[in-house]
Amino acid sequence: GQNIDQPTEMTATEGAIVQINCTYQTSGFNGLFWYQQHAGEAPTFLSYNVLDGLEEKGRFSSFLSRSKGYSYLLLKELQMKDSASYLCAVEAGSYQLTFGKGTKLSVIP
Amino acid sequence: NAGVMQNPRHLVRRRGQEARLRCSPVKGHSHVYWYRQLPEEGLKFMVYLQKENIIDESGMPKERFSAEFPKEGPSILRIQQVVRGDSAAYFCASSRNGQGGNEKLFFGSGTQLSVL
Repeated sequence: GQNIDQPTEMTATEGAIVQINCTYQTSGFNGLFWYQQHAGEAPTFLSYNVLDGLEEKGRFSSFLSRSKGYSYLLLKELQMKDSASYLCAVEAGSYQLTFGKGTKLSVIP
Repeated sequence: NAGVMQNPRHLVRRRGQEARLRCSPVKGHSHVYWYRQLPEEGLKFMVYLQKENIIDESGMPKERFSAEFPKEGPSILRIQQVVRGDSAAYFCASSRNGQGGNEKLFFGSGTQLSVL
């Protein structure tokens, strides 16, 4: 079976840095995605990790450790518009992505 | 470039009625996926289709639910004899190639189905 865990909610201050963790236990592993979803809107692609290490893309970075079954999304210089749900999703040997329940991030002034 | 278009955005049905959800993928994409999202739950895979073919429907309930992606026109997710438990947001996604290896999905804004 597939199991993906991430915190339900987080709060951080504008301008700060926040790290959203994701742990997974899956049968098979091809890669891990992070998506951003604003309330009532479509999830949008943020990052994809297949190898261990850190992938940096502007204010957002994503890290993967395959041996530990662990990933995190790092958001720097937080802005109010970053308030959204962040979805961790694992691609494990089939066509389907398995999503975590998402982490709702609230950025406060 | 138009993204994935889903309609309607909101659909209200009474128990026992039929619900039809439409999805037009990104232009040039021939792979379509349907996901369901319940409140406080993650997106759950339902079905993966290519033009005129169902590739994987392992996430779709065996009864009352069906999906198609005809040669012409949008993909349709059809729910017959809806029940209150079908109330959820249904998201469609598309990709240019099949899932696998950094093939990111482009999602539509979803259809919120409410069953009274």
